[in-house]
Amino acid sequence: AQSVTQLDSQVPVFEEAPVELRCNYSSSVSVYLFWYVQYPNQGLQLLLKYLSGSTLVESINGFEAEFNKSQTSFHLRKPSVHISDTAEYFCAVRSQFGNEKLTFGTGTRLTIIP
Amino acid sequence: GAGVSQSPSNKVTEKGKDVELRCDPISGHTALYWYRQSLGQGLEFLIYFQGNSAPDKSGLPSDRFSAERTGGSVSTLTIQRTQQEDSAVYLCASRQGAARGTEAFFGQGTRLTVV
Repeated sequence: AQSVTQLDSQVPVFEEAPVELRCNYSSSVSVYLFWYVQYPNQGLQLLLKYLSGSTLVESINGFEAEFNKSQTSFHLRKPSVHISDTAEYFCAVRSQFGNEKLTFGTGTRLTIIP
Repeated sequence: GAGVSQSPSNKVTEKGKDVELRCDPISGHTALYWYRQSLGQGLEFLIYFQGNSAPDKSGLPSDRFSAERTGGSVSTLTIQRTQQEDSAVYLCASRQGAARGTEAFFGQGTRLTVV
């Protein structure tokens, strides 16, 4: 079984400031890791994913996440946020073997302050 | 279709009535998931289909909830004798399934309100 912890339910950040959204997971087997974003009144969209290889993965809109196996973390970062980044961000994991279930964290609401 | 389609987008029902929620996955996607998103609760897994089979239905909260998938495509989530605590957004997602690392694509959801 897997579990995902997003400790920060809400993160307010000033525009153009950096941000880090934390994600820690627990699993007895190797996992794939995902960040999904949900903009206001919209569905969930994949932001980025880690499958294997380089531990640093990037999205097209400036976000990046680094897989840290020893700390079982997959924190999401952006060096300079914009108003348009206001959304809820969900971290998720899926086992590389066996159970196909995608397990989500409870989400972090990112609010950008002008 | 181009994306995962869910219908209806909104449903208001009276307590005790049955409801059916429909999901049309992306064509060719063999894996299909149902999730529930309640205010402040995050995304709660309900059931997973691979083809027409449901190898994991561990998230269904009670026997009032059931789901089926036919022809390896459309899925229906049925809630019998709805209760107010069933009010939530019900999300469907599909995944190609051939390679384990492929991402799941989500529909816009059905907002269910039980009054």
